[in-house]
Amino acid sequence: KAGVTQTPRYLIKTRGQQVTLSCSPISGHRSVSWYQQTPGQGLQFLFEYFSETQRNKGNFPGRFSGRQFSNSRSEMNVSTLELGDSALYLCASSERGWGPYYGYTFGSGTRLTVV
Amino acid sequence: DAKTTQPPSMDCAEGRAANLPCNHSTISGNEYVYWYRQIHSQGPQYIIHGLKNNETNEMASLIITEDRKSSTLILPHATLRDTAVYYCIVRVQGGSEKLVFGKGTKLTVNP
Repeated sequence: KAGVTQTPRYLIKTRGQQVTLSCSPISGHRSVSWYQQTPGQGLQFLFEYFSETQRNKGNFPGRFSGRQFSNSRSEMNVSTLELGDSALYLCASSERGWGPYYGYTFGSGTRLTVV
Repeated sequence: DAKTTQPPSMDCAEGRAANLPCNHSTISGNEYVYWYRQIHSQGPQYIIHGLKNNETNEMASLIITEDRKSSTLILPHATLRDTAVYYCIVRVQGGSEKLVFGKGTKLTVNP
């Protein structure tokens, strides 16, 4: 079974630009979550999608948005990039997102550098 | 904020058991203890979870105290590849609860 695939692996953008990151979950997984990891703040939850609906959102400004498609693939978008948005962005997928234990499987992340 | 407290770093000799402690004194009755680890430049990897009973799988053992206020992750025979940051997380099993990561413990396994 293929794992969680995130593309691109690395990205360099300029302040003020926008960026779109992609995540393909494990086949059959319907829940996709996004996390931001920085040296100062650690791993922080951005949002979670299940069956194309955002179910939970972290404490990030509206510049951070996401969506999920009918095939469970997800994208996150950051508009008007700031230097502080430089981070590793991680995507995690799980089968259902509730009930008896379900595992989160993380991708390797997209390393975004804003210059 | 994370509901867990872990030592920032620990060392362990290769081949010996690594015992990683975690305090979660405010854990609720319906919250589980989860452990993940993150090897450098990779995404976090699930290790094990439990509610109140001790648990064991092919990767590790989880010992939860009777009052559930603390737990210990045990890697029985640590290898160099176990060098990573280990995160202890408490969360409700159900709904769409997010994972709240603390700073974790950086475990270094030495040859």
